[in-house]
Amino acid sequence: EIVLTQSPRTLSLSPGERATLSCRASQSISSSYLVWYQQKPGQAPRLLVYGASNRAAGIPDRFSGTASGTDFTLTISRLEPEDFAMYYCQQHAGSPGAFGQGTKVEIK
Amino acid sequence: EVQLVESGGGLVQPGGSLRLSCAASGFTFSNYAMNWVRQAPGKGPEWVSYLSSSSINIQYADSVKGRFTISRDNAKNSLYLQMNSLRAEDTAVYYCARRGELLRDYYYYYFIDVWGKGTTVTVSS
Repeated sequence: EIVLTQSPRTLSLSPGERATLSCRASQSISSSYLVWYQQKPGQAPRLLVYGASNRAAGIPDRFSGTASGTDFTLTISRLEPEDFAMYYCQQHAGSPGAFGQGTKVEIK
Repeated sequence: EVQLVESGGGLVQPGGSLRLSCAASGFTFSNYAMNWVRQAPGKGPEWVSYLSSSSINIQYADSVKGRFTISRDNAKNSLYLQMNSLRAEDTAVYYCARRGELLRDYYYYYFIDVWGKGTTVTVSS
């Protein structure tokens, strides 16, 4: 079973700052199977990045994803007010669908 | 407009059963694999079950295996989740979710690209 561990659990930042979110897989997975979502209260998750580094349709270019071995990173270059939310990674390798436990990006 | 609409949630006693439905519109439902994903209050999403487009490949999370059954009717553009022997820990918002698939540069990419708004299941006496 592949386990995804996200860190930090909470990121307190100001608008305009850079956010760096981490997702580590318990075993090697192809980067093509790693996905990032954003979720706001009362809403379903929204697809941000697929294949570790490909932005989904309509996602601003301030969102970017990278991969290095079992470590995956989502970077928001300059936080906008609407970016304060929960972020989850998910893997589609093996038994499909395990999510990480999430990182909350909150206003400092 | 691509849309998924869940229904069938509600309050049920421990040990009881519920059947969730998901109505799909705006896309060719029979071409897509589908998932159920749930989210307990204050928790992150938890994948529950997966069903391939032709219903050949079925997978369940260990937490629901043997109690939940996923199915689909491509003629009715509908996905279902039969939930039996419900427990308090099954309390959650249940989302119907489409699995997107992309082949590019010899790589397959998978992701959930469409979510419903969810239906709430509460298991309590």
